[in-house]
Amino acid sequence: DMKVTQMPRYLIKRMGENVLLECGQDMSHETMYWYRQDPGLGLQLIYISYDVDSNSEGDIPKGYRVSRKKREHFSLILDSAKTNQTSVYFCASSQDTQYFGPGTRLLVL
Amino acid sequence: AQSVTQPDARVTVSEGASLQLRCKYSYSATPYLFWYVQYPRQGLQLLLKYYSGDPVVQGVNSFEAEFSKSNSSFHLQKASVHWSDSAVYFCALRSSNTNKVVFGTGTRLQVLP
Repeated sequence: DMKVTQMPRYLIKRMGENVLLECGQDMSHETMYWYRQDPGLGLQLIYISYDVDSNSEGDIPKGYRVSRKKREHFSLILDSAKTNQTSVYFCASSQDTQYFGPGTRLLVL
Repeated sequence: AQSVTQPDARVTVSEGASLQLRCKYSYSATPYLFWYVQYPRQGLQLLLKYYSGDPVVQGVNSFEAEFSKSNSSFHLQKASVHWSDSAVYFCALRSSNTNKVVFGTGTRLQVLP
């Protein structure tokens, strides 16, 4: 069963705290993505990973970094979270078609 | 630069009516095009995709879309909508030489019973 998982599903942090969002996939896809979704803006690409330790900035990378040490795992890290990083974050993986995780709702107070 | 425009933020139709959700794209070559649906508090799910060939593509739940190179469009259609089709629909484009995908801002569909 092809699946993308995200943990946690909901997260509340205070401004300045560090945030770790985890994503996993069981399809051995080389390419993985992190997006954020905000009302009226659709999905904005934060980072794209082409394989282990092969990551590229997307359209809005500022304030984020990523880590991919295994093909099946892709992490998004917010060092010192800001209130404007409150959003819903989606991970996806693809061979040619993207498969999306269920999302993580992050609230930064 | 590639871009996707969904001109209608909201569409409301009655159950059983036909539906068209509009999508226009900007890309210098022939793109790979997708329609996704997002139900509340869920991730995006693929409805259909176009890579090449027949410009009319069939998807899940009786959705179809027609690619038009001359109009730079990829409109989504359904002959008869059901209340369960209420959701947000996203059009997306992937360039033929990278894995980067660009999404439109989405169209929220409300189907009235």
